[in-house]
Amino acid sequence: GAVVSQHPSRVICKSGTSVKIECRSLDFQATTMFWYRQFPKKSLMLMATSNEGSKATYEQGVEKDKFLINHASLTLSTLTVTSAHPEDSSFYICSARSPGLARETQYFGPGTRLLVL
Amino acid sequence: EDKVVQSPLSLVVHEGDTVTLNCSYEVTNFRSLLWYKQEKKAPTFLFMLTSSGIEKKSGRLSSILDKKELFSILNITATQTGDSAVYLCAVEWSGGSEKLVFGKGTKLTVNP
Repeated sequence: GAVVSQHPSRVICKSGTSVKIECRSLDFQATTMFWYRQFPKKSLMLMATSNEGSKATYEQGVEKDKFLINHASLTLSTLTVTSAHPEDSSFYICSARSPGLARETQYFGPGTRLLVL
Repeated sequence: EDKVVQSPLSLVVHEGDTVTLNCSYEVTNFRSLLWYKQEKKAPTFLFMLTSSGIEKKSGRLSSILDKKELFSILNITATQTGDSAVYLCAVEWSGGSEKLVFGKGTKLTVNP
């Protein structure tokens, strides 16, 4: 149980386009989802915390107008990278937690590798 | 500023060796410390530690937390090539969102 999926797993896009990444909890309801970014050889950096039905909370230095997060249902959160630039190329990972599950973990998705040309 | 520091940043050993990975932290509103293993994709959960001095074990892996000195260690005995990965330490912050603050990780390479 406690499976989180992400789609797409890999995306290549042109500079200036927008890219949407989906994060789904497949067998549980996720009241909270987290979005992380990981640059090569760096650790995971939390970008924002997404609560179902309310606005996301962004970490300092993360532009909310550039990284749009929508958590419209208890099983789906989306991250849209708007007007992507090459410096946005990174590995984006979501995680989900639910009060009904063991609180030991956030369950991580498999990640989405974004390359902006 | 909350901070999680892991050492060493990288480590190369031979199969059968025992390794100890370190994680120190300075985090306000500490709730728990977690260890993850990351290979090519997303991290996979290893341990969650909330209390000092209680060792958690899973096979050849074990971990312990010292809340007074603000650090944790992850031990791997009789290492295997399949243990090669980046090991991430994260501290859970209880400021309302229960977010995780990650260290930079220790890259472990186990050679045959």
